[in-house]
Amino acid sequence: GAGVSQSPSNKVTEKGKDVELRCDPISGHTALYWYRQSLGQGLEFLIYFQGNSAPDKSGLPSDRFSAERTGGSVSTLTIQRTQQEDSAVYLCASSLVLAGGTDTQYFGPGTRLTVL
Amino acid sequence: GNSVTQMEGPVTLSEEAFLTINCTYTATGYPSLFWYVQYPGEGLQLLLKATKADDKGSNKGFEATYRKETTSFHLEKGSVQVSDSAVYFCALSDRTGGFKTIFGAGTRLFVKA
Repeated sequence: GAGVSQSPSNKVTEKGKDVELRCDPISGHTALYWYRQSLGQGLEFLIYFQGNSAPDKSGLPSDRFSAERTGGSVSTLTIQRTQQEDSAVYLCASSLVLAGGTDTQYFGPGTRLTVL
Repeated sequence: GNSVTQMEGPVTLSEEAFLTINCTYTATGYPSLFWYVQYPGEGLQLLLKATKADDKGSNKGFEATYRKETTSFHLEKGSVQVSDSAVYFCALSDRTGGFKTIFGAGTRLFVKA
């Protein structure tokens, strides 16, 4: 079946503009994560959605960042008034949730954001 | 809260050398443990996992054993290849903290021919 898809694959924007990044998870996966990965760096957790529970927003770096997940499926990450330090690859992942915890995460290809 | 600590890189080895990448964890419950790999220019993918104590995950010649007594999940391979050059991430997930998965910082491996 289809994997996790993200769009756009690349986004170049000017400082101060808003951007929206989209993630389509694998069908049936109740857990959805957003991460940020700067060049050569590790994964920075941003936000986590699990079913109908309130999302865990503890990783969002500022109030310019927000995300929503509609109908338990597609998710959109919005960055308002972009800054140059927002430039990174934004990764989405989805997974099943089992009794013992989140199962294997399946990652999308990422959106490379460049803020000029 | 839960956390994952893995050895800092980069790790540089010659082809056919033995590889160990250390990973230790802190968790209040009984987590599932994972190793993910990111090859150059590619996305993150699962390498192996273990869901309970003493389980051994294995894939592509890599192995890791879930050691509850030492809270460790070290990644090993007996003979590395140039194609194993990548960044390796240790991760855990359990019922506490809303089932959220926690990743380590990643360890970059370079294998020289």
